[in-house]
Amino acid sequence: EAEVAQSPRYKITEKSQAVAFWCDPISGHATLYWYRQILGQGPELLVQFQDESVVDDSQLPKDRFSAERLKGVDSTLKIQPAELGDSAMYLCASSLETGGVYEQYFGPGTRLTVT
Amino acid sequence: KQEVTQIPAALSVPEGENLVLNCSFTDSAIYNLQWFRQDPGKGLTSLLLIQSSQREQTSGRLNASLDKSSGRSTLYIAASQPGDSATYLCAPSGGATNKLIFGTGTLLAVQP
Repeated sequence: EAEVAQSPRYKITEKSQAVAFWCDPISGHATLYWYRQILGQGPELLVQFQDESVVDDSQLPKDRFSAERLKGVDSTLKIQPAELGDSAMYLCASSLETGGVYEQYFGPGTRLTVT
Repeated sequence: KQEVTQIPAALSVPEGENLVLNCSFTDSAIYNLQWFRQDPGKGLTSLLLIQSSQREQTSGRLNASLDKSSGRSTLYIAASQPGDSATYLCAPSGGATNKLIFGTGTLLAVQP
């Protein structure tokens, strides 16, 4: 069964350092999402791509976060510089429009710890 | 702004019980609603998706209902098993980008 792939699974970094996460969506899925999930809370959307275009980045802290999906397939989320408050699970999801319905499928996530 | 509330926040039941998890949302203009399961430290697994035109969806021992006009959805789990222990999240979708808004989840523990 096709799955969303993410790497790394775990990342420990010191504050002020740069960190990057990678996501490979299910083949053929045009829509890709990055979420941040703080412990004990539900995921919150950071950025949504349709093919290579950003369609929603209203909750992305643009002073330190950036995301790209250059060829409309895999994607990278970067944080520079990392802050203590960035410690969270970063989840990637993808979806395919079927009859107007977008069912989202999630990857295993990257657990980030900033020290 | 869509707000999603899940009650109860935590639930512990003995194995074999039937149970209901509740989800309420403030904006009824949704396209669909997804229920997810999340095991500790893991990603989300999609359980059921109910389209806004549907009233319920079933998958095995799971049944989800949707009352869009009142802003409510329930997830019914029949004959619970210890392997059902996880956090259950509901997420209605809406807006121009079909965005999912998540509740904080219900942490379920099924005791053997």
